Amino acid sequence: DAKTTQPPSMDCAEGRAANLPCNHSTISGNEYVYWYRQIHSQGPQYIIHGLKNNETNEMASLIITEDRKSSTLILPHATLRDTAVYYCIVRPLMNYGGSQGNLIFGKGTKLSVKP
Amino acid sequence: DTGVSQNPRHKITKRGQNVTFRCDPISEHNRLYWYRQTLGQGPEFLTYFQNEAQLEKSRLLSDRFSAERPKGSFSTLEIQRTEQGDSAMYLCASSFEATSRDEQFFGPGTRLTVL
Repeated sequence: DAKTTQPPSMDCAEGRAANLPCNHSTISGNEYVYWYRQIHSQGPQYIIHGLKNNETNEMASLIITEDRKSSTLILPHATLRDTAVYYCIVRPLMNYGGSQGNLIFGKGTKLSVKP
Repeated sequence: DTGVSQNPRHKITKRGQNVTFRCDPISEHNRLYWYRQTLGQGPEFLTYFQNEAQLEKSRLLSDRFSAERPKGSFSTLEIQRTEQGDSAMYLCASSFEATSRDEQFFGPGTRLTVL
């Protein structure tokens, strides 16, 4: 079962920041937080991941709380093309404790960006 | 386009028939995953290959399902004696060992409809 909890849906105005929360209160010290998104009729796409420090890349920023029990994905200037289901996933590094790296998805958050 | 291709993109079959799907991963990727996704749910892990070795299978992978990756390149997923409950999107993903990001690249999926 997924170890994360996300709101089922969110709306965001085009051009505004989208802040997507995720709770992962049972996360282990060796587990990373990953975010993927799935645009309609496509496979999931990697966005960003982090362990305990905040991370930023060309797509998004990831803010992880100090206790690591929750995180927020930030899309700084949402566009209509960012409309998708966003999945927050916790997983250990590949091969840690026998992990084969498969992703365990929950239901995610359906983000609708509106003009 | 992630570089992972899947064929066919759509398959309609009658209950009881056998079907086979193909996945061509990114050429240098040694890890290959199969997932299944039903409407409104996140993808669920089915099985994992490292090179040609099938190292992990989910309990979702009943004995009617078989997957191969004969030369460590493309993979096939066969479903025998299909049932209506097998109707789903079948997703393939690949990744390359020894990247710190450990990102999985997903194909567009094969949508199976069992009548």
